[in-house]
Amino acid sequence: QKEVEQDPGPLSVPEGAIVSLNCTYSNSAFQYFMWYRQYSRKGPELLMYTYSSGNKEDGRFTAQVDKSSKYISLFIRDSQPSDSATYLCAMSATGSYIPTFGRGTSLIVHP
Amino acid sequence: DGGITQSPKYLFRKEGQNVTLSCEQNLNHDAMYWYRQDPGQGLRLIYYSQIVNDFQKGDIAEGYSVSREKKESFPLTVTSAQKNPTAFYLCASSMGQGAGETQYFGPGTRLLVL
Repeated sequence: QKEVEQDPGPLSVPEGAIVSLNCTYSNSAFQYFMWYRQYSRKGPELLMYTYSSGNKEDGRFTAQVDKSSKYISLFIRDSQPSDSATYLCAMSATGSYIPTFGRGTSLIVHP
Repeated sequence: DGGITQSPKYLFRKEGQNVTLSCEQNLNHDAMYWYRQDPGQGLRLIYYSQIVNDFQKGDIAEGYSVSREKKESFPLTVTSAQKNPTAFYLCASSMGQGAGETQYFGPGTRLLVL
């Protein structure tokens, strides 16, 4: 079993839909959780950063961490075609600054 | 503008040839990283460096080499020992001061074998 599991998709949704992207993990030491967005043939860019459990909101994006279930989510409200990209989750443990990445989920938002 | 630059954008390697990928950052970060990304796969760590003149192997270091002579620069050499080098290579940096740091990525270099 991989430390971080992420469904590769693709996930195809109509414009305006609420998107839910998820990752599960097995290492209970993970405390720092990140979501990156990667457009085709570009480098990843950080979208959301969360420490420990709880929710964090930034505009149309909400990151949620449930450490009891070892499950993290990224919600995108009012999705736009410009949100079409691959979304990578990443997480790291206390004492380590090298994150473990998920495989990424490909999201397609069609007009 | 602060950021990470990688060059070239595309690189072609002939059989038996060593090639070097450039990575430069002006963020004043201590830590730098090299990742390899294959289609449908996540990022796999090749090498990382926490400080000048020091670096450690990542998960897939075989067939690669690095140097860290300057804080701003962390070049990656793909040697002829790397039998499957075709991939998208990403360089990243972080402050290098503690756990849970944010990594900032460059635009990537796509390496193709002729």
